[in-house]
Amino acid sequence: ETGVTQSPTHLIKTRGQQVTLRCSSQSGHNTVSWYQQALGQGPQFIFQYYREEENGRGNFPPRFSGLQFPNYSSELNVNALELDDSALYLCASSATGFRAQETQYFGPGTRLLVL
Amino acid sequence: QKEVEQDPGPLSVPEGAIVSLNCTYSNSAFQYFMWYRQYSRKGPELLMYTYSSGNKEDGRFTAQVDKSSKYISLFIRDSQPSDSATYLCAMSARNQFYFGTGTSLTVIP
Repeated sequence: ETGVTQSPTHLIKTRGQQVTLRCSSQSGHNTVSWYQQALGQGPQFIFQYYREEENGRGNFPPRFSGLQFPNYSSELNVNALELDDSALYLCASSATGFRAQETQYFGPGTRLLVL
Repeated sequence: QKEVEQDPGPLSVPEGAIVSLNCTYSNSAFQYFMWYRQYSRKGPELLMYTYSSGNKEDGRFTAQVDKSSKYISLFIRDSQPSDSATYLCAMSARNQFYFGTGTSLTVIP
């Protein structure tokens, strides 16, 4: 098991609502990335935070936003939920910024269902 | 065209077989190449990574990268039932990170 934890494990929301997902990084890691994994698909990169600043972003609309805190824990916020947002949301932590992406450690994910 | 293409399988092999998993990519800017294993209802787990063409070996696993052909492979020797999982290739360049769709592997005892 990695030291990355995520909460909650499961969540059900309705279309139009807002959701906040949380991630606690592995000890000593200052970089966190968030991914969306639809059923039967590979993870899609949402964005990465390094030392509390957004450090890279995938092809996701602005209603997907994030925060990283001084203790390097992180939040993913999604506004105006759509049915297609139903997926497993994964966070991954790594040690030293984007050059260390090859050594990301993933949490178990939060499974979000939007009705 | 997707950045990374991976055959989703499923792939079913007998215990002890050699397994070959492959991905192709289109972006020549990719610098890092990784293979992850994902068990059902778990997050991906890093198996191997490399940043150059050639082979890298770790126990029963060998990762191969051919940048000229934009093709990467993962070989599993002496496959075990515990290797049954989804295998994801992944690649990164600058601040972007791309996964394949994953290949589902079942090793039959």
